[in-house]
Amino acid sequence: QKEVEQDPGPLSVPEGAIVSLNCTYSNSAFQYFMWYRQYSRKGPELLMYTYSSGNKEDGRFTAQVDKSSKYISLFIRDSQPSDSATYLCAMSLSGTYKYIFGTGTRLKVLA
Amino acid sequence: DAGITQSPRHKVTETGTPVTLRCHQTENHRYMYWYRQDPGHGLRLIHYSYGVKDTDKGEVSDGYSVSRSKTEDFLLTLESATSSQTSVYFCAIGGLAGVDNEQFFGPGTRLTVL
Repeated sequence: QKEVEQDPGPLSVPEGAIVSLNCTYSNSAFQYFMWYRQYSRKGPELLMYTYSSGNKEDGRFTAQVDKSSKYISLFIRDSQPSDSATYLCAMSLSGTYKYIFGTGTRLKVLA
Repeated sequence: DAGITQSPRHKVTETGTPVTLRCHQTENHRYMYWYRQDPGHGLRLIHYSYGVKDTDKGEVSDGYSVSRSKTEDFLLTLESATSSQTSVYFCAIGGLAGVDNEQFFGPGTRLTVL
């Protein structure tokens, strides 16, 4: 079993839809949770990070962590064609250099 | 790409040949990483460095070695390339969890081993 599981998609939605992207994990000690966006043939770029449980909002993006269920989510409101990319979740332990990444979910927002 | 360059950007080589990939940063960041990205596996850590001459193994380090003689340069060497090392390689800087969570990634090197 992988430490971090992520549905690979692709997930296709119409423009303006609310998108929900999710990851589950097995290591209850993870404390830092990140979401990266990766466009085709580019390096990943950090969208959001959260510490421990709770929600964090940044514009159209909301990151949610449920440590009791070992489940994290990224919500995208009013999705745009420019949001079409692969979204990677990542997580780590406090004070470490190692990040564990999910395999990524491909998202297509149709105009 | 946050002051990170990778060279070469593309390389085709033959099985058994040595290959060196270079990562160069202008951010003076202490931490540097090499990942490989493959379909179905996502990003997997090969090696990382927490300072000049200070390196350690990641989860898929077999067949790879690294060196860091200057803060700005982190080299990844495939001693004898195999077809299973065909992949996209990303360098990253930053990212000590709890202090500086963001890792900045380079543009990647696409390596094909024939």
